[in-house]
Amino acid sequence: LAKTTQPISMDSYEGQEVNITCSHNNIATNDYITWYQQFPSQGPRFIIQGYKTKVTNEVASLFIPADRKSSTLSLPRVSLSDTAVYYCLVGVSGGYNKLIFGAGTRLAVHP
Amino acid sequence: DAGVIQSPRHEVTEMGQEVTLRCKPISGHDYLFWYRQTMMRGLELLIYFNNNVPIDDSGMPEDRFSAKMPNASFSTLKIQPSEPRDSAVYFCASSRPGTVSYNEQFFGPGTRLTVL
Repeated sequence: LAKTTQPISMDSYEGQEVNITCSHNNIATNDYITWYQQFPSQGPRFIIQGYKTKVTNEVASLFIPADRKSSTLSLPRVSLSDTAVYYCLVGVSGGYNKLIFGAGTRLAVHP
Repeated sequence: DAGVIQSPRHEVTEMGQEVTLRCKPISGHDYLFWYRQTMMRGLELLIYFNNNVPIDDSGMPEDRFSAKMPNASFSTLKIQPSEPRDSAVYFCASSRPGTVSYNEQFFGPGTRLTVL
């Protein structure tokens, strides 16, 4: 399973766009990139998944360059409620659902 | 849908006692995962099941830990005997039949275990 590297923490202010970048230099051809969000005292929650280029849903966008060695989670106009830990995971999708969570990025959104 | 249900939400026990954590996955999901989260080690996958069969238990820390899934709607994680270093939040998660490009796992609220 590919190892991921992401910043330990980030700070932002309400209304700003936040971009969290994850490095995964050893990503394999069959690997997908998945992001989870975890609030204090809750289990992680799936945010978004992608394979290449750009994926957007109602919560976030995921940008993946052509070489797929990194990815960027973009949160538009964050609010205080977006304060959480964000995990980047890389692995084969579908039937083999073993996900390895790293340390994640602790995002703090300030008023 | 009620989501993944875990019980108890909090458990305080003394070293040496047996602890049983319970999980009810989302109906129709055929994968079930047990994770442990601590400040020091983060979120660790302990074991996961597919169609009630254990697939990978390489994350189970030692023989004191065991997990079962007697049917599609129930799983247990047992620690016997418990030790203070087992104190953690234990999460159960489930996912639906593997679609081609999906890694979405649905996590329960967790059980906070404290072993004194």
